[in-house]
Amino acid sequence: LAKTTQPISMDSYEGQEVNITCSHNNIATNDYITWYQQFPSQGPRFIIQGYKTKVTNEVASLFIPADRKSSTLSLPRVSLSDTAVYYCLVGDPQTGANNLFFGTGTRLTVIP
Amino acid sequence: NAGVTQTPKFQVLKTGQSMTLQCAQDMNHEYMSWYRQDPGMGLRLIHYSVGAGITDQGEVPNGYNVSRSTTEDFPLRLLSAAPSQTSVYFCASSPPGALSNEQYFGPGTRLTVT
Repeated sequence: LAKTTQPISMDSYEGQEVNITCSHNNIATNDYITWYQQFPSQGPRFIIQGYKTKVTNEVASLFIPADRKSSTLSLPRVSLSDTAVYYCLVGDPQTGANNLFFGTGTRLTVIP
Repeated sequence: NAGVTQTPKFQVLKTGQSMTLQCAQDMNHEYMSWYRQDPGMGLRLIHYSVGAGITDQGEVPNGYNVSRSTTEDFPLRLLSAAPSQTSVYFCASSPPGALSNEQYFGPGTRLTVT
């Protein structure tokens, strides 16, 4: 299982852009990088996924450098409701759920 | 669609008791998984299934059994509950074939073993 390293926690003020970086030095050729969000007492929720360069959706952007050994989740103009734990995972979608390692994630606290 | 549903929401067991955590999905997903999440920790994979009749072990399978007789249901059985199994249990499902690691999670079952 390819494992990842993320900061344990981050604080940010409302309205700021937040960047959470994840290290995945052992990423395999077929692995995609996936980010999940988890609120207290809820199951994780898929945010975004990418293979290389940049991916953007209505929630976040994901930046992946050419060597793919790290990635950065960018949350624009965070609000209090973005307070959650964010998990970075790497895995091959074609092999299913058995190769996804969640780790401890990054606890983001948004301050008013 | 109800998505992924889990029952019960809460359960208290005594050491040595057995029980089954229920998980069902109505999205016709082939892949289903069970995770446990201990306080302040990430999720750890217990068992998973890539289709009806097929199951396999994850990272922490000891003390748990699963079966997959239908596409919709993936129950998790605790054979003889131990305090170390106190945790929140999440079931998840995902469709095969798509180039995506997106899984859909249920609301979880909070289990306490005394």
